[in-house]
Amino acid sequence: QLQLQESGPGLVKPSETLSLTCAVSGGSISTNSYFWGWIRQPPGRGLEWIGSMSYTGSSYYNPSLKSRVTISVDTSKNQFSLKLSSVTVADTAIYYCASHRYSGYDFQGFASWGQGTLVTVSS
Amino acid sequence: SSELTQPPSVSVSPGQTASITCSGDKLGNKYACWYQQKPGQSPILLIYQDDKRPSGIPERFSGSNSGSTATLTISGTQPMDEADYFCQAWDSSSNYVFGTGTTVTVL
Repeated sequence: QLQLQESGPGLVKPSETLSLTCAVSGGSISTNSYFWGWIRQPPGRGLEWIGSMSYTGSSYYNPSLKSRVTISVDTSKNQFSLKLSSVTVADTAIYYCASHRYSGYDFQGFASWGQGTLVTVSS
Repeated sequence: SSELTQPPSVSVSPGQTASITCSGDKLGNKYACWYQQKPGQSPILLIYQDDKRPSGIPERFSGSNSGSTATLTISGTQPMDEADYFCQAWDSSSNYVFGTGTTVTVL
């Protein structure tokens, strides 16, 4: 059973870069067919997918965030990371890391989730 | 980009059946997933590829998808099923899109 755990600053200033890491345990991040993604949820609101990446480097990003998002995978540490640049108060949300098998039409849902971490954008 | 619309709320009596809809353009031509989220917790995958349940998900949760509407059905609803529910689908332009969410109240 995969376990995911987010870590990173809980407070980021406007115009700066939000950086989060997700540690994976109970399995290898280098597993074929697995993708590693980020999803966010503003307090009291719905879910928004940010992007996903496989250990081979295949990546997919939400078109509305693509210009500001970078996701990377570190196989040596069995973890993956999110960077979101030029943040504003609208980026305040609970950020979840999650995993899914396959991508596109064969997608099998985000089956494993981290507990989530609240990131507040404020000066 | 694609949008997935859900009713904001659904009420159901214990033991009865709750149906939650998710509407989107040609949704029946895509696979739908469903998630349950309780307050302060991470979402849990209930259904993937329209009607498949991950291991550990009770049989009272079932899914269907046709035309422009995907439906999550909770049979024999229990008080523990009170939660928010989100649908999700993959779209070639928008990738992974979530629905607007439905709060299920068990009265």
